[in-house]
Amino acid sequence: GEDVEQSLFLSVREGDSSVINCTYTDSSSTYLYWYKQEPGAGLQLLTYIFSNMDMKQDQRLTVLLNKKDKHLSLRIADTQTGDSAIYFCAESRDDKIIFGKGTRLHILP
Amino acid sequence: DVKVTQSSRYLVKRTGEKVFLECVQDMDHENMFWYRQDPGLGLRLIYFSYDVKMKEKGDIPEGYSVSREKKERFSLILESASTNQTSMYLCASSSPRVAKNIQYFGAGTRLSVL
Repeated sequence: GEDVEQSLFLSVREGDSSVINCTYTDSSSTYLYWYKQEPGAGLQLLTYIFSNMDMKQDQRLTVLLNKKDKHLSLRIADTQTGDSAIYFCAESRDDKIIFGKGTRLHILP
Repeated sequence: DVKVTQSSRYLVKRTGEKVFLECVQDMDHENMFWYRQDPGLGLRLIYFSYDVKMKEKGDIPEGYSVSREKKERFSLILESASTNQTSMYLCASSSPRVAKNIQYFGAGTRLSVL
């Protein structure tokens, strides 16, 4: 298919790690992204990874890319209440970006 | 910092009205985009523009038009608003000069059509 797929909902306890998974479609995509959307706001770029990389780490965030399986994941270590948001996986395609439907991350106390 | 500004955060209009949603970016970006966001459907691309006076249809252009008279401004027009156009509208911009092709988003306009 042509869609970027991700689960719609994830619930995690505060302090645990969150792992949000995504599958994309275009093996020629140059960049893959994770965007974050807090309630009532627009999308904010969280991180991105170039397609020839396997992993990228940025403080509490770790992005893993399995190009063979077209699988992208975002791990948030030590999840905090401020991490509660919708997370969008996205892939570059020509001058456009194709977004998944978003994963709503819910933090349990 | 890139700034993408949408003129209204909330808008309430009546069925049949002509509605203008305005978006301005301050980073001299060539590309601008309009999306709508609906629960369970994610972001859907309505129209985009690669340059002044250029426009391209996205995935759901029906019922919408756009205008790009100046590089920094991209307007979304609902010629005759209908209730099924009640949605969150997001504007974004990017530049091919920036290799990562990152799109920068405005805060969104929540439109209600009564």
